[in-house]
Amino acid sequence: DAMVIQNPRYQVTQFGKPVTLSCSQTLNHNVMYWYQQKSSQAPKLLFHYYDKDFNNEADTPDNFQSRRPNTSFCFLDIRSPGLGDAAMYLCATRGRAGGNTEAFFGQGTRLTVV
Amino acid sequence: AQSVTQLDSQVPVFEEAPVELRCNYSSSVSVYLFWYVQYPNQGLQLLLKYLSGSTLVKGINGFEAEFNKSQTSFHLRKPSVHISDTAEYFCAVRVYSGGGADGLTFGKGTHLIIQP
Repeated sequence: DAMVIQNPRYQVTQFGKPVTLSCSQTLNHNVMYWYQQKSSQAPKLLFHYYDKDFNNEADTPDNFQSRRPNTSFCFLDIRSPGLGDAAMYLCATRGRAGGNTEAFFGQGTRLTVV
Repeated sequence: AQSVTQLDSQVPVFEEAPVELRCNYSSSVSVYLFWYVQYPNQGLQLLLKYLSGSTLVKGINGFEAEFNKSQTSFHLRKPSVHISDTAEYFCAVRVYSGGGADGLTFGKGTHLIIQP
């Protein structure tokens, strides 16, 4: 029944080694978001897609990239992870832009950088 | 830009006692308001939302919240808490954006600790 699925749940990567986190959805939602949540902090929006239109938050580091090959899948690429990138990464979807719709979150991927 | 303030980082409550988690927001435009719950190493689950209409909204697990426009508040309440309510609670806002796809702005969270 899972609607927003993130893989893997836990990811360990080496300092500077590229890593990709994945998110898939069965809701056929137009909008997909990536949030970064560091320990004991609020989730922070990195970027979002409205269909294939990509929107980067102004303060998202260039080290973070994203791809959305189709409606169902969205990937977060971290080109050269640093120790400061260790966090929980949350994917979320929403049915349509604007309007009074809620966001659905995945279970998250906890990234450890060693 | 909008912001969300959750005044209490941690709230300890005895089991079966009532609880209120406070949330205030700041925005120059109208917003939608949400409360999410997060259990350890889990994603966020929607508790309730205010979109329009009645200012008292009821959510899952016996929670409710009241939107107060004059005080720009959206406090979360539960009349009797259970051990299983121990979790992190986030208040969030999203602006009316017409055709935009704006994300949520979250408060820093309140850790609700239920004591037996």
